[in-house]
Amino acid sequence: DAGITQSPRYKITETGRQVTLMCHQTWSHSYMFWYRQDLGHGLRLIYYSAAADITDKGEVPDGYVVSRSKTENFPLTLESATRSQTSVYFCASSLRDSTYEQYFGPGTRLTVT
Amino acid sequence: TQLLEQSPQFLSIQEGENLTVYCNSSSVFSSLQWYRQEPGEGPVLLVTVVTGGEVKKLKRLTFQFGDARKDSSLHITAAQPGDTGLYLCAGAWDTGRRALTFGSGTRLQVQP
Repeated sequence: DAGITQSPRYKITETGRQVTLMCHQTWSHSYMFWYRQDLGHGLRLIYYSAAADITDKGEVPDGYVVSRSKTENFPLTLESATRSQTSVYFCASSLRDSTYEQYFGPGTRLTVT
Repeated sequence: TQLLEQSPQFLSIQEGENLTVYCNSSSVFSSLQWYRQEPGEGPVLLVTVVTGGEVKKLKRLTFQFGDARKDSSLHITAAQPGDTGLYLCAGAWDTGRRALTFGSGTRLQVQP
């Protein structure tokens, strides 16, 4: 049972480059989420998706793009990376039920130089 | 944007001591969860509470949901070094959005 996986686990890139972080889940959960975690800010929602081809902005969406062509995948793209996007990124998934419980991947540590 | 306050931010205690972490909002939660996160890993769900006054126990951890569903607490009895980690509360409100709002977390260090 693979659950939810993220790749890469670590990434170093330069300012201005495009970067894509991958997220894959094997549970067929309807909802998927992208968060960033920074010291002093906790977990902040970037984008989320209710189903394939349905996405919505979260608290901090600027500079990020998402897509969801298949239920199991939810890639996050930084179109032109900036130093302020250095962070740890977490993907999560959730069932379409009333509990709102979310299950997280292991994270991707991204450094923008 | 719904706000969720978590306290304390840091806690360093000796093995065997008890502790309580608090999570508060000015709005009524539809659902509240507690997660634990270890370094280099994603948060792991500990418990979900949905009913006002609800109490749930997970070994030495006791979770309580306020009667008015605006606050919650996590109490650890006889803390052990293995309890060390970042504890996060996360709330959902009946706004039609599925997303959670997370507290800033309580970093717990239990010294042997």
